[in-house]
Amino acid sequence: GQNIDQPTEMTATEGAIVQINCTYQTSGFNGLFWYQQHAGEAPTFLSYNVLDGLEEKGRFSSFLSRSKGYSYLLLKELQMKDSASYLCAVRDWRDDKIIFGKGTRLHILP
Amino acid sequence: DTAVSQTPKYLVTQMGNDKSIKCEQNLGHDTMYWYKQDSKKFLKIMFSYNNKELIINETVPNRFSPKSPDKAHLNLHINSLELGDSAVYFCASSPRGPNEKLFFGSGTQLSVL
Repeated sequence: GQNIDQPTEMTATEGAIVQINCTYQTSGFNGLFWYQQHAGEAPTFLSYNVLDGLEEKGRFSSFLSRSKGYSYLLLKELQMKDSASYLCAVRDWRDDKIIFGKGTRLHILP
Repeated sequence: DTAVSQTPKYLVTQMGNDKSIKCEQNLGHDTMYWYKQDSKKFLKIMFSYNNKELIINETVPNRFSPKSPDKAHLNLHINSLELGDSAVYFCASSPRGPNEKLFFGSGTQLSVL
């Protein structure tokens, strides 16, 4: 089976940096996604990692270590609009499923 | 606009009724999905279709029946609705390829009374 763990909630201050961790266990790993979901809206794609290392995209970066079953999403220069849930998702090549973690609700304080 | 669109956005109904949610994508994707997001915001896969063929059926009750008339459409019919079916249902699509990111519809909030 698969197991994806991420913190339930985090709080950070506007302008600061926050790191949201995700650990996963799967035998058929074939890529890790991060999605952002604002309240009442659909999830939107943020990043994709399939090889070890850091992928940077503007204020957001995502890191992957396959040997450790670990990823993080790094958000810099936090803005109030970054208040949202951040969902870690893993793709399994055996059945092509994309399975989501329970999400981390990020609160940004002024 | 190119998108994944689903209707209705809100659905309020009585226990025991039958209802359908429609989904269409004009992105040219081969694969479409239904996900259920419960009150705790946990997004759980229900079904996946590739080019009209059922690929994933994630131990969902028989009361839920997906139908894909063509690869651009994936509808979800729910019979004999129960209180526990109340959730937000998201349709999604993805292209084939190594980076199969999901494009989500705006969701259907189903409330069973």
